[in-house]
Amino acid sequence: DAGITQSPRYKITETGRQVTLMCHQTWSHSYMFWYRQDLGHGLRLIYYSAAADITDKGEVPDGYVVSRSKTENFPLTLESATRSQTSVYFCASSRGTDGNTIYFGEGSWLTVV
Amino acid sequence: AQSVAQPEDQVNVAEGNPLTVKCTYSVSGNPYLFWYVQYPNRGLQFLLKYITGDNLVKGSYGFEAEFNKSQTSFHLKKPSALVSDSALYFCAVSPGSARQLTFGSGTQLTVLP
Repeated sequence: DAGITQSPRYKITETGRQVTLMCHQTWSHSYMFWYRQDLGHGLRLIYYSAAADITDKGEVPDGYVVSRSKTENFPLTLESATRSQTSVYFCASSRGTDGNTIYFGEGSWLTVV
Repeated sequence: AQSVAQPEDQVNVAEGNPLTVKCTYSVSGNPYLFWYVQYPNRGLQFLLKYITGDNLVKGSYGFEAEFNKSQTSFHLKKPSALVSDSALYFCAVSPGSARQLTFGSGTQLTVLP
């Protein structure tokens, strides 16, 4: 049972470059999420998706793009990376909403230099 | 908007002693409450949740949490701490939808041998 797989786990990129973080889940969960974790801020929601081809903004969406052409995949793209986007990114999924548990991937550590 | 407060950034406890990690929340309506644990360089792991029913919720690894509506609290407890419990603990609250899940800033628990 693979659960949620994120890649790459670690990435260093330069300011202005485009970066895509991949997320794949094997549970056929309807909902998928992208969070970023920063010291002093806890976890903040970037984007979420309720189903394939349905996405919506979270708390901190600026500078990020998502897509969900297949239920199992939810890639996050930084169109032009900035140093402020240096963070740990977590993909997550849940079967539904309203009290359903959200399950997290192992994280992608991104450094923008 | 909902909010979560974890008033202690750091909690130290001796192995074998009981532990408590505090969480208070603010939300409109009935809350869905969660506890997650994060080990170094890992994703968040689900421990337990309160949706409705019994105020005392039992979860993984011997942890439990008590929902107190009048005090708007959801403290995490364990009767006898283990060194392996040392980790970062997050409380989270949602008024319903998973996309509205708000995390606290986390409490670093250190269990001393």
